[in-house]
Amino acid sequence: AAGVIQSPRHLIKEKRETATLKCYPIPRHDTVYWYQQGPGQDPQFLISFYEKMQSDKGSIPDRFSAQQFSDYHSELNMSSLELGDSALYFCASSLTETQYFGPGTRLLVL
Amino acid sequence: KQEVTQIPAALSVPEGENLVLNCSFTDSAIYNLQWFRQDPGKGLTSLLLIQSSQREQTSGRLNASLDKSSGRSTLYIAASQPGDSATYLCAVRHGGTSYGKLTFGQGTILTVHP
Repeated sequence: AAGVIQSPRHLIKEKRETATLKCYPIPRHDTVYWYQQGPGQDPQFLISFYEKMQSDKGSIPDRFSAQQFSDYHSELNMSSLELGDSALYFCASSLTETQYFGPGTRLLVL
Repeated sequence: KQEVTQIPAALSVPEGENLVLNCSFTDSAIYNLQWFRQDPGKGLTSLLLIQSSQREQTSGRLNASLDKSSGRSTLYIAASQPGDSATYLCAVRHGGTSYGKLTFGQGTILTVHP
């Protein structure tokens, strides 16, 4: 069965650089969620989209923005990267109640 | 603000034991509760989902219960195996919508010794 695809899987950036993370939901899923998991921490909700419209917003810094495109894939854009942005970024998708998570993108900011 | 707490933070058991992981949440107005498994450095695998109207769900050796009024859920693992070693996370979906965000607990790190 198709799963959530995230790219890239690993990313290394310098401070103040920009990063773009991509998420391809399971086909026919209409909702996409982004979560950030810092080292040794639980995942924290960032933002979600339902039918290409932002549906909820969590603790997402103003330096971050995201959108969902017409083909339902989503991109998380992160600017002016800081050391504290180093984390595992998960995308999840859903059609009904269950959220299915992708493998994550591991971002390291040096 | 919803807060989710998991006890214990870590658990080490010999193979074959039955065990219980606990999850509590402060706001009972949840839509559903989901249990996940996470292997080190890996993604989240959904194990069980319990709707707010349900009392329990079972999948193989796993059984999850939900007492919404008291804000508690348990994950029961029968006849534990070394392959069950992982971090187990519970997450609640906020009430009102079917596309609500999840709030996670800190997880229980489970180690099953051969």
